[in-house]
Amino acid sequence: QKEVEQDPGPLSVPEGAIVSLNCTYSNSAFQYFMWYRQYSRKGPELLMYTYSSGNKEDGRFTAQVDKSSKYISLFIRDSQPSDSATYLCAITTNTGNQFYFGTGTSLTVIP
Amino acid sequence: ETGVTQTPRHLVMGMTNKKSLKCEQHLGHNAMYWYKQSAKKPLELMFVYNFKEQTENNSVPSRFSPECPNSSHLFLHLHTLQPEDSALYLCASSQEVRAGNQPQHFGDGTRLSIL
Repeated sequence: QKEVEQDPGPLSVPEGAIVSLNCTYSNSAFQYFMWYRQYSRKGPELLMYTYSSGNKEDGRFTAQVDKSSKYISLFIRDSQPSDSATYLCAITTNTGNQFYFGTGTSLTVIP
Repeated sequence: ETGVTQTPRHLVMGMTNKKSLKCEQHLGHNAMYWYKQSAKKPLELMFVYNFKEQTENNSVPSRFSPECPNSSHLFLHLHTLQPEDSALYLCASSQEVRAGNQPQHFGDGTRLSIL
């Protein structure tokens, strides 16, 4: 079983839609959860970073962690064409130097 | 310059060539990493350095040889590569190794193509 699973998509939505991106993970010891955005021909850029369960909001982006279900989500409100990118989830424990990454979900926002 | 800088951005080489990838971070971090990114696969961690000492080698073939002269610079020396080594090679850094509360910051990668 993979440490983290992520639907690769591709996902295509109209401009202004609410986007939901998700990952599941297998180890309940994971405590730190990250979302990275990767534009074409660029490296991953840290978008959101959360610890433990709950929600974290930053502008149009909300990261949600449900540790009981081992499920993390990234919501994008009022999606824009500039949000078109691949979104990677990443998880780690407090003591490991391993960051487990999902395969990434490709998102296209159509004007 | 800020962040993590990688050069060259693109590299095409034959299987018998020797080349090096360079990474420099301007974030004052102590840990640096090499990753391989292939299509439809998760990032594959290759090497980890902490205070310029290698702490992890994830069973990477010896045709990849890392070098970390100081905490700001990281190299990946390439020799006798195979076509399956074609990928995007990403460098990352973080404040500390073995600290889950220290996210990694990435460069834009070197797109490597092996002929």
